[in-house]
Amino acid sequence: DIQMTQSPSSLSASVGDRVTITCRASQSVSSYLNWYQQKPGKAPKLLIYAASSLQSGVPSRFSGSGSGTDFTLTISSLQPEDFATYYCQQSYSTPYAFGQGTKLEIK
Amino acid sequence: QVQLQESGPGLVKPSGTLSLTCAVSGDSISSSNWWTWVRQPPGKGLEWIGEIYHRGSTNYNPSLMSRVTLSVDKSKNQFSLKLNSVTAADTAVYYCARIRTSTPRRNWFDPWGQGTLVTVSS
Repeated sequence: DIQMTQSPSSLSASVGDRVTITCRASQSVSSYLNWYQQKPGKAPKLLIYAASSLQSGVPSRFSGSGSGTDFTLTISSLQPEDFATYYCQQSYSTPYAFGQGTKLEIK
Repeated sequence: QVQLQESGPGLVKPSGTLSLTCAVSGDSISSSNWWTWVRQPPGKGLEWIGEIYHRGSTNYNPSLMSRVTLSVDKSKNQFSLKLNSVTAADTAVYYCARIRTSTPRRNWFDPWGQGTLVTVSS
């Protein structure tokens, strides 16, 4: 099974900051990597699919990059509504696996 | 607009069976999409449970495979999850979602249902 590891597990930042979250796969997943945002008490929401494709309706300040085993999610200028937990997920093979999550908090 | 809605008992006794249904609106369960379940224990991360195609094909997480069954009801445009021999460790919010696919392996979960909390307790 493929394991997904995110870093950091938590992150404090301010509105307007540029933030990068990293996701590493235990083996190559090519570009089959998705990113989700989850706010407290809500379902996860798709942000990025196939490593770098922005889901319709998601602000352009969100971007994804990477391939193989190393991926990043970047928020170019944090907005108040971006404080949430972010998860990566590989779709290369079942069992699909999620990273443990990165909680983005207000500094 | 595609919407998914989970339903089922919020409390299940230990050793019992957890049964949930996901009603789909705005899309046909018989479309070219797969459908999936994900769970999240309180305060923890996301765990993939399994996926099903309307023709009955399934894939399960090996960690749960011996206890899980997914099924589809085309007449009601819904799919279901059964998890037997539950313990307190199965207490979680259970989400259903549609799997969108552009090419094999290039797939993602969207949209998700709002989730339903299932507590395993006597």
